[in-house]
Amino acid sequence: DIQMTQSPSSLSASVGDRVTITCQASQGISKYLHWYQHKPGKAPKLLIYDASYLETGVPSRFSGSGSGTDFTFTISSLQPEDIATYYCQQNDNLVTFGGGTKVEIK
Amino acid sequence: EVQLVESGGGLVQPGGSLRLSCAASGFTFSSYSMNWVRQAPGKGLEWLSYISGSSSTIYYADSVKGRFTISRDNAKNSLYLQMNSLRDEDTAVYYCARDLQQMVMGYWGQGTLVTVSS
Repeated sequence: DIQMTQSPSSLSASVGDRVTITCQASQGISKYLHWYQHKPGKAPKLLIYDASYLETGVPSRFSGSGSGTDFTFTISSLQPEDIATYYCQQNDNLVTFGGGTKVEIK
Repeated sequence: EVQLVESGGGLVQPGGSLRLSCAASGFTFSSYSMNWVRQAPGKGLEWLSYISGSSSTIYYADSVKGRFTISRDNAKNSLYLQMNSLRDEDTAVYYCARDLQQMVMGYWGQGTLVTVSS
């Protein structure tokens, strides 16, 4: 099984800050890595697929990079509506989600 | 507009069974693979199962293999999850999700709560 280690598990940042979340796979997964946003009581939302492709309609302040085992998700300028938990997910071998990163406003 | 609406959740005793449904609309259901994902209270997302558009390919997470069965009825635009031998740790919100590409979940329902408790 492929394990996904996401860090940090939580962070607090100010509006306008640059926020970075990392995700490490236990083995190489090429670019089969995707990022989701999940707000309480809402359906999860796909933001980034195949490591770096922005899903349609997602603001350009969200971005992703990486390949192999190490991946990065960035919010270039944190907005109040970005408060949520973010998950990475691999589909190189079935599906595994990372543990999540809870993003809060300082 | 793609819509996915889960139903069938509720309170069930340990060892019991429950069948979840997901009604799909706004797209050609048979053309897309589907998944079930859950979130236990205070925990992260956990993928459970995948089914291809034709039902020819099915996968399960180890945590539910042998207890849960995924199925679909393309004539009814519906996805199902039959859950047997339920345990306390199966308590969660269960989501159905439509693939953007294989096992990349582009659309999600709002979820249905399953509580396993005596």
